Amino acid sequence: SAVISQKPSRDICQRGTSLTIQCQVDSQVTMMFWYRQQPGQSLTLIATANQGSEATYESGFVIDKFPISRPNLTFSTLTVSNMSPEDSSIYLCSVEDGQGAGYEQYFGPGTRLTVT
Amino acid sequence: RKEVEQDPGPFNVPEGATVAFNCTYSNSASQSFFWYRQDCRKEPKLLMSVYSSGNEDGRFTAQLNRASQYISLLIRDSKLSDSATYLCVVLSNTGNQFYFGTGTSLTVIP
Repeated sequence: SAVISQKPSRDICQRGTSLTIQCQVDSQVTMMFWYRQQPGQSLTLIATANQGSEATYESGFVIDKFPISRPNLTFSTLTVSNMSPEDSSIYLCSVEDGQGAGYEQYFGPGTRLTVT
Repeated sequence: RKEVEQDPGPFNVPEGATVAFNCTYSNSASQSFFWYRQDCRKEPKLLMSVYSSGNEDGRFTAQLNRASQYISLLIRDSKLSDSATYLCVVLSNTGNQFYFGTGTSLTVIP
């Protein structure tokens, strides 16, 4: 399975600032995703990071707030812009890995963000 | 209606007990199903994939009932280390989106 790393692992930020989270995969993958997991909640998909084109955002998430880059098949960034305390959450990068019908999803270790 | 629904629990069971979780999904055309385990303050990790009528891995058995659109996870001989949140995940029939349940919390008590 793919090995995924994220940076930073955690951060405490002031409201109004922005944070860029990096996700690096040890192999080329077609599909990369960004999720958010708020305390005590399950995962919410923010967007699918598409290589070479604009990300596909889920309802409730917009590019101005969560710009995403995907310059190649092993790397993506998510920026949380103009942060507010409501953005405090764990942000998880994931990839879809597999062949044929056997696609599975693997997650990075997450970035724990606290906005004060 | 949510794509995937799970009983959130919590389930508190004694060591050695057998416990079962159920999960229902709304899209009858869904093709792939998974159980993930998430420990506190950690990322979800794939526990089992469920592709056909079900599969077994040691103490863990996952089953799929397409007619009733549910999948289950059975844990036998529970260990303290099984304490975690178990997430039911369904891959859409288009193959490009994973839907997550809210998770079922399990605590195994000594």
